[in-house]
Amino acid sequence: GAVVSQHPSRVICKSGTSVKIECRSLDFQATTMFWYRQFPKQSLMLMATSNEGSKATYEQGVEKDKFLINHASLTLSTLTVTSAHPEDSSFYICSVGENTGELFFGEGSRLTVL
Amino acid sequence: AQSVTQPDIHITVSEGASLELRCNYSYGATPYLFWYVQSPGQGLQLLLKYFSGDTLVQGIKGFEAEFKRSQSSFNLRKPSVHWSDAAEYFCAVGHPGNEKLTFGTGTRLTIIP
Repeated sequence: GAVVSQHPSRVICKSGTSVKIECRSLDFQATTMFWYRQFPKQSLMLMATSNEGSKATYEQGVEKDKFLINHASLTLSTLTVTSAHPEDSSFYICSVGENTGELFFGEGSRLTVL
Repeated sequence: AQSVTQPDIHITVSEGASLELRCNYSYGATPYLFWYVQSPGQGLQLLLKYFSGDTLVQGIKGFEAEFKRSQSSFNLRKPSVHWSDAAEYFCAVGHPGNEKLTFGTGTRLTIIP
């Protein structure tokens, strides 16, 4: 299956700053990537679908101006948390599908906003 | 809308004992079903999946799951657990033509000696 890598794995930032998380599909050209968010001891919630060369599709309740997604190439999608606040602290995980119905996940990025 | 229920938040099992993790889903047609495992601070690894065909599916690490349409269930089993199986387990449902997955709330598995 697809190999997915995220960077950084951990990031700590001050409140009000912006943080960018990268998701790379290392061996598969992904036209679509998915961004999930996971609060401590909770399940994964789909935030948005990243579409290569076009706008991301956000799930209901997710602020698109807060969570900027860019999918400029078939191997890279980025999630930028703008003007981060402590409530944005979470584990962010991206995934790639190979059009088989199965998803392959990155290692996740833990964001801590002070 | 599709949904997934994992009734057990936390399960403790002795090493070497058998394991069954429950998963129930709600979906209008035959879904795609998945079990993923997550170690602390890590991403998700696919254990097994069901798309169609044989309702008993084998996965990695000695896990298996059985799709029971009549019960809307897809329970995960392992005959003998190892200490390394301690992790969080997520059941997920998807459907043909759409790669969005809906996850259950997860079951934390603790292994005791």
